[in-house]
Amino acid sequence: EVQLVQSGAEVKKPGESLKISCKGSGYTFSNYWIGWVRQMPGRGLEWMGIIYPGDSDTRYSPSFQGQVTISADKSISTAYLQWSSLKASDTAMYYCTRREEAGQLAYWGQGTQVTVSS
Amino acid sequence: EIVLTQSPGTLSLSPGERATLSCRASQSLSSSYLAWYQQKPGQAPRLLIYGASSRATGIPDRFSGSGSGTDFTLTISRLEPEDFAVYYCQQHGGSPRTFGQGTKVEIK
Repeated sequence: EVQLVQSGAEVKKPGESLKISCKGSGYTFSNYWIGWVRQMPGRGLEWMGIIYPGDSDTRYSPSFQGQVTISADKSISTAYLQWSSLKASDTAMYYCTRREEAGQLAYWGQGTQVTVSS
Repeated sequence: EIVLTQSPGTLSLSPGERATLSCRASQSLSSSYLAWYQQKPGQAPRLLIYGASSRATGIPDRFSGSGSGTDFTLTISRLEPEDFAVYYCQQHGGSPRTFGQGTKVEIK
């Protein structure tokens, strides 16, 4: 069974750094792109970017380029989303998701709530 | 970047009624790379339809997708109580992937 399990909720202060994770199981992690999606409180879904764990090829949405870093460690089947300096506006739920062959997103993690507040 | 515009913003219907949701793209989508997702409060999105009209695994046949080019439709033939949720379209052919702003289907 394909599963994406994300790390737990985080509460941080503005200016702090953060790295959240998404661990895949039930399939060959290296062979599928993993994407990240942001959902701000009460808002819709926003595409952040995607990584191919096999060679770490990474593509960012223009809105998120330079704001976050996406990485992966295929040896432990885990993808990451990180911030070097959080802002209050980064408060949101973040989902990881697996991209299928035709590009659709069939599997999703349970989400990681990130709260940034002074 | 391809912009997806969904309408209406909110659809108020009763169980048993038919729901028709629209998604319009700012440019033609190659190979109809358009997907639909359902999201309920506190849950991750769930894939319903991809390639404009292919149902994902386990999705009931009351959900159907149609359209091509720039205009796409998700139809729920007869609303069940569990279908009241927010629905998003997403184009999965171009880069970056983009989502529509969502349509909320609420109980009338």
